[in-house]
Amino acid sequence: AQSVTQLGSHVSVSEGALVLLRCNYSSSVPPYLFWYVQYPNQGLQLLLKYTTGATLVKGINGFEAEFKKSETSFHLTKPSAHMSDAAEYFCAVRLNTGGFKTIFGAGTRLFVKA
Amino acid sequence: GAGVSQSPSNKVTEKGKDVELRCDPISGHTALYWYRQRLGQGLEFLIYFQGNSAPDKSGLPSDRFSAERTGESVSTLTIQRTQQEDSAVYLCASSPGGGRPDTQYFGPGTRLTVL
Repeated sequence: AQSVTQLGSHVSVSEGALVLLRCNYSSSVPPYLFWYVQYPNQGLQLLLKYTTGATLVKGINGFEAEFKKSETSFHLTKPSAHMSDAAEYFCAVRLNTGGFKTIFGAGTRLFVKA
Repeated sequence: GAGVSQSPSNKVTEKGKDVELRCDPISGHTALYWYRQRLGQGLEFLIYFQGNSAPDKSGLPSDRFSAERTGESVSTLTIQRTQQEDSAVYLCASSPGGGRPDTQYFGPGTRLTVL
């Protein structure tokens, strides 16, 4: 069975510092991987996704994530945090076997300090 | 066009009552998903519909929960005999479908409070 683990329910960084949000998955077959973001009082929106090809994926707002099959990880990074990045981030996985069921992690809330 | 819409935005009900939550997906999207998000927790998959295929109901927590979808349009999630543990935000999402690893577009959610 597939599952998604996000390490750290809360992460706090200073403005301008590196953002690193961790995501590990378990899947018996190669998955599709997603990061979604939920800004305060807004709905979830896609940040980036990995399907096939290049393992380093770039998304909106300067975020990127790297799929590492050997580590079953899909960590999200941004070189320099901005106050507007404060939000909740969800990692998600879907099997590439034709189905649509998507499993979400519990989420990581990012705080950005001035 | 318009995004995914959900109604009502908020619903307060008494324990034991039935509730219906509605989702209008983006026009043309064949896939539709329902999730539950309890306070401080992640999204919990409930059910998805893909075109005219049989829905995947594997995430429904009990037989008090059911969902329907008319063709590729509106979906309703029904919770019978509501319990306090049903209190959560219920999110609907739609995607173009067709077997691709496509993006899900989320609605604003319905916040359900069971007293």
